[in-house]
Amino acid sequence: EVQLVESGGGLVQPGGSLRLSCAASGFTFSDHYMDWVRQAPGKGLEWVGRTTNKPNSYTTEYAASVKGRFTISRDDSKNSLYLQMNSLKTEDTAVYYCARRGSGNYFFDQWGQGTLVTVSS
Amino acid sequence: DIQMTQSPSSLSASVGDRVTITCRASQSISSYLNWYQQKPGKAPKLLIYAASSLQSGVPSRFSGSGSGTDFTLTISSLQPEDFATYHCQQTDRIPLTFGGGTKVEIK
Repeated sequence: EVQLVESGGGLVQPGGSLRLSCAASGFTFSDHYMDWVRQAPGKGLEWVGRTTNKPNSYTTEYAASVKGRFTISRDDSKNSLYLQMNSLKTEDTAVYYCARRGSGNYFFDQWGQGTLVTVSS
Repeated sequence: DIQMTQSPSSLSASVGDRVTITCRASQSISSYLNWYQQKPGKAPKLLIYAASSLQSGVPSRFSGSGSGTDFTLTISSLQPEDFATYHCQQTDRIPLTFGGGTKVEIK
């Protein structure tokens, strides 16, 4: 069974840092592009960024709202995806989902359950 | 950035109704349009990819159509488990963008 399990969320003060993890199982993690998507309370979905796979040089792209503050990385040996979040702002408060890109890399066919990040003093 | 505009933002319908949700892109995205269903407190679930391809395991009452800038998600006969929020997403250009969502409620 394909599973994505996020962890690392919690309460952090503005300006602080947090590292989210996404543990993958049930599929060949190294084959897939992976993304992070967030959803602020009561709001819609916002794409955060993505990493490609090894054949595509682990290239990363980010939304403008997080570029320069957030970093996506992966460890294929551990079947894990990461989101390092620095200089956090109150507007970064959201549930953060990791998502797997499906065949062809143009849709998200598997999602984790999400982890809540709250940025507040 | 490509803006995705969904309409309506919410609707009330009865079991058995035919429901149509539209999504308009601010520029042509070919067929790089996906639809997701999300229930409260849960992660989104892929329903339709590439505008009209039904994801494996998704009931055939869901269908998608369109290309270019105008897209439609149709539920042919609404079932109790279909009451949820539906999101469209374009994957033609980075940054990937989502529509604002359509909440389907029980009438």
